[in-house]
Amino acid sequence: DTGVSQDPRHKITKRGQNVTFRCDPISEHNRLYWYRQTLGQGPEFLTYFQNEAQLEKSRLLSDRFSAERPKGSFSTLEIQRTEQGDSAMYLCASSLEGRGEQYFGPGTRLTVT
Amino acid sequence: LAKTTQPISMDSYEGQEVNITCSHNNIATNDYITWYQQFPSQGPRFIIQGYKTKVTNEVASLFIPADRKSSTLSLPRVSLSDTAVYYCLVSGINAGNNRKLIWGLGTSLAVNP
Repeated sequence: DTGVSQDPRHKITKRGQNVTFRCDPISEHNRLYWYRQTLGQGPEFLTYFQNEAQLEKSRLLSDRFSAERPKGSFSTLEIQRTEQGDSAMYLCASSLEGRGEQYFGPGTRLTVT
Repeated sequence: LAKTTQPISMDSYEGQEVNITCSHNNIATNDYITWYQQFPSQGPRFIIQGYKTKVTNEVASLFIPADRKSSTLSLPRVSLSDTAVYYCLVSGINAGNNRKLIWGLGTSLAVNP
């Protein structure tokens, strides 16, 4: 297993466009997390899944954000009608249920112009 | 409001032991403490996790006093490659049975030759 992967690594989009990011977790991990991180800040929790069920969404996750994890494997995070304030690194992490240790992907850096 | 507090930055020299302390005064009984390392343009990487007393692995030690209101990450004999940002995370389940993830703002460690 090569760890958590994310695609794309970088995305530049114009304000108002929709973007979708993909995360492939470590195969035996049933928990998957999405975070957002801006420069000089720690990761901000957005949402997490246990298998295919989305168990929690942060208040940071506005209606323009949606995440899915069909079949409990990979996950997608979509941002609709992007705004400049959405520019950030979007991190995905996975873990085994009951274990606090999260394994992070390399992140997708989004720039909204 | 629960939060974790850690120094913004630290300087050290190669071969020295570095201790980074995180304050988490409102830690709950079932919360765990985890430390992560992050290099620029990469996702955080797990270093060590603990609940109480002392935990040691091949890269670091974690000291947690009896009241658990702080924790200290100890990096023995640092090298230039240990220059990174180190995050303290307090995790558990909150009163609403939701996942609690309280990240610090990170400590930027600079190791000098």
